[in-house]
Amino acid sequence: DAGVTQSPTHLIKTRGQQVTLRCSPISGHKSVSWYQQVLGQGPQFIFQYYEKEERGRGNFPDRFSARQFPNYSSELNVNALLLGDSALYLCASSPWTGMNTEAFFGQGTRLTVV
Amino acid sequence: KNQVEQSPQSLIILEGKNCTLQCNYTVSPFSNLRWYKQDTGRGPVSLTIMTFSENTKSNGRYTATLDADTKQSSLHITASQLSDSASYICVVRMSGSQGNLIFGKGTKLSVKP
Repeated sequence: DAGVTQSPTHLIKTRGQQVTLRCSPISGHKSVSWYQQVLGQGPQFIFQYYEKEERGRGNFPDRFSARQFPNYSSELNVNALLLGDSALYLCASSPWTGMNTEAFFGQGTRLTVV
Repeated sequence: KNQVEQSPQSLIILEGKNCTLQCNYTVSPFSNLRWYKQDTGRGPVSLTIMTFSENTKSNGRYTATLDADTKQSSLHITASQLSDSASYICVVRMSGSQGNLIFGKGTKLSVKP
């Protein structure tokens, strides 16, 4: 079985540009969450989507947006990139949004803003 | 403020030795506590999930404990192997509709031969 897949694995962008990151959840999983992990820190929650609807949003500026498609894959968009947006972006999928539901993480997309 | 703090920040042990990692949290309302293993540049992989009613949970050579009264957890690794070298992250899930995961900064474990 394929796990959570993210693309691209690495990305270099210039300040002010826009970026789109993609995530395909495990087959059958309907919930996708996005996290930002700055070097040396734990991941920070950005968004959660379930059944194509936003279910949660972390403390991130409006430059960050996301959506979930009918096949449950998801995209994270970041506009007007700043140097501080450089991080590992992780996607996690779950079958549903229950409290004790396991979250399965992808390998992440390493974004570098120069 | 909802926080998860881990100690030590880093740890070096010899192969075959045991070690214990600590986690303190101030997250409320609490739903469950998880330990993840994260290899460098990779996504976290779940080791255990414990609700407030569970005191101990094991997964092979990994044993996690939870004291919901003192809001402390530990992860004990027995007979360490070189492949245990990774960051170990303590994560607390909040209850409620959003159910955010609050991550600690992790303990970086290095197992030396």
